Order: sequence, then structure tokens, then C-alpha cells
Amino acid sequence: EAQVTQNPRYLITVTGKKLTVTCSQNMNHEYMSWYRQDPGLGLRQIYYSMNVEVTDKGDVPEGYKVSRKEKRNFPLILESPSPNQTSLYFCASRRQGLFDGYTFGSGTRLTVV
Amino acid sequence: DAKTTQPNSMESNEEEPVHLPCNHSTISGTDYIHWYRQLPSQGPEYVIHGLTSNVNNRMASLAIAEDRKSSTLILHRATLRDAAVYYCILRDEANSGYALNFGKGTSLLVTP
Repeated sequence: EAQVTQNPRYLITVTGKKLTVTCSQNMNHEYMSWYRQDPGLGLRQIYYSMNVEVTDKGDVPEGYKVSRKEKRNFPLILESPSPNQTSLYFCASRRQGLFDGYTFGSGTRLTVV
Repeated sequence: DAKTTQPNSMESNEEEPVHLPCNHSTISGTDYIHWYRQLPSQGPEYVIHGLTSNVNNRMASLAIAEDRKSSTLILHRATLRDAAVYYCILRDEANSGYALNFGKGTSLLVTP
């Protein structure tokens, strides 16, 4: 089944403790991105990657890092999480060129205390 | 990307058609109209997209006004599983990259 897989689904952590949220897609998509969703603010893009080793900032990149060493994986790294990064995170992918929609993961609910 | 306007919420009865409107009066000639939906506790899901002509797929139909200043997503027979937030998004892929600008969307309630 074609899908974007995020792990973990739920995470509670403490301020300052580094964490990584993994994202993997099995569709050979070139493009991948991360969004966060907050009440009243909707979905906002954090980072995106056009292909392996090519990443760029989205609208709200502060406090986050990403890497794209392989085509299928696009982890989101929080080096020093803070409570304002408590949010619902989604990873998405699509192929470049012919458009047939973005595929989103099921989400990771992160709580930073 | 140009802005879209959608009603905050709509309600429908199960097994009846649903017409979800979207206004986009400042749409440019190269903007595609995309629809996504987000079911409770899930990630957004692609529904349909179009440029000028009406479009149909297994999930829904997209009716685009002749002047392209508005469009309507049509669910032909609503089911309880269609209860979701529906987002209408304009995208000019040639000029604005790949990011999706989600607005507030329309929350669709389907009642038995």
C-alpha cells in the first residue's frame, strides 16, 4: 500500500531533550515536507525537500532541523524542544512533475513539558 | 497564492448530495484549484483538483465556474465517513513552489 509512515504517533517529552520524528514514504516521491497544525493557525509548512540532499525552510522553520540522506526518509529533528513546539505534526510527499496529489502521514502528536 | 473563502461549517444528511462552495475571486490564469479533506485524527487527504474544466474522480466532482472565480466540490452521496474539514486551495505550481496554504476550511457534519 502506498503510504507515508510517521513515528511515533504520540510523544511526550521534556524541554531540551533532543528528539527525532521519523517519516518514510514508499512511493519513490522526490518531494517531501513537514507541517505543523495548531488550533486557530491551521497547517503551516516547517521544512521541505525537493530531492536527496536538497532541503529548504518553509514558513516556520525555527527550532527544527531536517535531513534527506535517502529518498524515502525525511526525519524532523528538534535539537532542544520547547513547549511552544507542542503541536500535531504531519509529513507529506508527492512526486515532481505530473501531479496526482500529496500523500500525508497520520500525524505525530508532540507534547513538550 | 490567491486567497479562498469557504463557509466555516455545513451540515448534510447521510446519503444526500453535498455541495461545498469556494470563492476565489482573485484567482490567476495559472492557479489550479485543489481540494483536500482532513478526517478526525488523520492527516489531510487529496480529493481532487482542476484548472478550468469540471473534473470527476471516484471520491468527488469539482465544478468550476466559467469565470473561475468560484468552484464547488460535490460529494454525490454523503456518508458518515465524509464528515471532515474540507480545504479549498489555489496553487500556481510553476511560480509558487510546492507548499500547500491551508486556510480554515469547511467543517462538514453528516447526520444519519
